[in-house]
Amino acid sequence: DVKVTQSSRYLVKRTGEKVFLECVQDMDHENMFWYRQDPGLGLRLIYFSYDVKMKEKGDIPEGYSVSREKKERFSLILESASTNQTSMYLCASLGTANEQFFGPGTRLTVL
Amino acid sequence: EDQVTQSPEALRLQEGESSSLNCSYTVSGLRGLFWYRQDPGKGPEFLFTLYSAGEEKEKERLKATLTKKESFLHITAPKPEDSATYLCAVRDSGTYKYIFGTGTRLKVLA
Repeated sequence: DVKVTQSSRYLVKRTGEKVFLECVQDMDHENMFWYRQDPGLGLRLIYFSYDVKMKEKGDIPEGYSVSREKKERFSLILESASTNQTSMYLCASLGTANEQFFGPGTRLTVL
Repeated sequence: EDQVTQSPEALRLQEGESSSLNCSYTVSGLRGLFWYRQDPGKGPEFLFTLYSAGEEKEKERLKATLTKKESFLHITAPKPEDSATYLCAVRDSGTYKYIFGTGTRLKVLA
């Protein structure tokens, strides 16, 4: 089975802190995604990566950056956390049949 | 603009009471319609992929169907463990972007 893991299930940070969210997949998938999920808004794409060191902006990239130094690892960085970035963050990798495999999510609270 | 709309937003069923969830979509070129199940506090779990109108997929009590403008997730004789949020997503051809609906929250009462 595909396994996608995320570094933390719950995270509490203060405004202005730099935040790192890490995601690791074990199926050698090329494409990986970062979403945030908010009530009533569904999943919104922040960034995706189609290869090592390759990335493209999604619909809401402002305030975020990403890093993909190794194929299995895709990191989301909040350069200076703000309260409006409080959300559930979901990482996914793309299978061979175009299906996305999601991690368990990180619930981030910014105070 | 690509768009996915799911209805109803929430649905309460008695155990054994069959029903259907709807996902209507607009996309310039469909490269897959996807159904996911999401339990509270967890990531979505992949259920089905449909590619062309007329296609059907089944898994236990769930059956997904696809037309040119919408998809249905039929739940036959549901059980309390089927309670979850069901998400629909489409992928537009020529892009890696997936457009998600806001989901249907299903509650099955014993």
